[in-house]
Amino acid sequence: EAQVTQNPRYLITVTGKKLTVTCSQNMNHEYMSWYRQDPGLGLRQIYYSMNVEVTDKGDVPEGYKVSRKEKRNFPLILESPSPNQTSLYFCASSFWGNTYEQYFGPGTRLTVT
Amino acid sequence: GQQVMQIPQYQHVQEGEDFTTYCNSSTTLSNIQWYKQRPGGHPVFLIQLVKSGEVKKQKRLTFQFGEAKKNSSLHITATQTTDVGTYFCAGRDMEYGNKLVFGAGTILRVKS
Repeated sequence: EAQVTQNPRYLITVTGKKLTVTCSQNMNHEYMSWYRQDPGLGLRQIYYSMNVEVTDKGDVPEGYKVSRKEKRNFPLILESPSPNQTSLYFCASSFWGNTYEQYFGPGTRLTVT
Repeated sequence: GQQVMQIPQYQHVQEGEDFTTYCNSSTTLSNIQWYKQRPGGHPVFLIQLVKSGEVKKQKRLTFQFGEAKKNSSLHITATQTTDVGTYFCAGRDMEYGNKLVFGAGTILRVKS
């Protein structure tokens, strides 16, 4: 089954404790992206990657890191989480190009206390 | 920078009533996509519009792309409880590297 998977689905952590949210897709998509969803603000892009070893900042990259060492994986790293990073995070993937739809993972709800 | 505004933010309708959400871009778009997110779920692609003035239908859903390619709408005829969720538009602008920018979404609730 074609899908995007994320882990963990739920995470409660404390300020400053490094964490990684994994994302994996099995559709051979070149493009992968991370979004955060907050009430009233929609989906805001954090980072994206057009292919292996190619990543770039989205609209809200501060406090986040990513890597793309393999085509299928695109982990999101919070080196020192803060309470303002409490949010619902989605990973998405698609073929590269301006006409392809994005496939979203199930989401990761992160709470930073 | 590129902005995509979506209204209304929230709408509560009686089952059987119609519903419309509107999307407006600050720049001319190369295309626009619509997604639906069910409560507790993730966004799922509905449709893409590319041509100026384009109209597409999916059963009770009608999607329109404005003549100037700066606005779009989604209209649902005779809403059902299965229509509940958040509807997002997302536009691409070639001047901004065809980046996909999402609107804030419209939350639809349906009273049965």
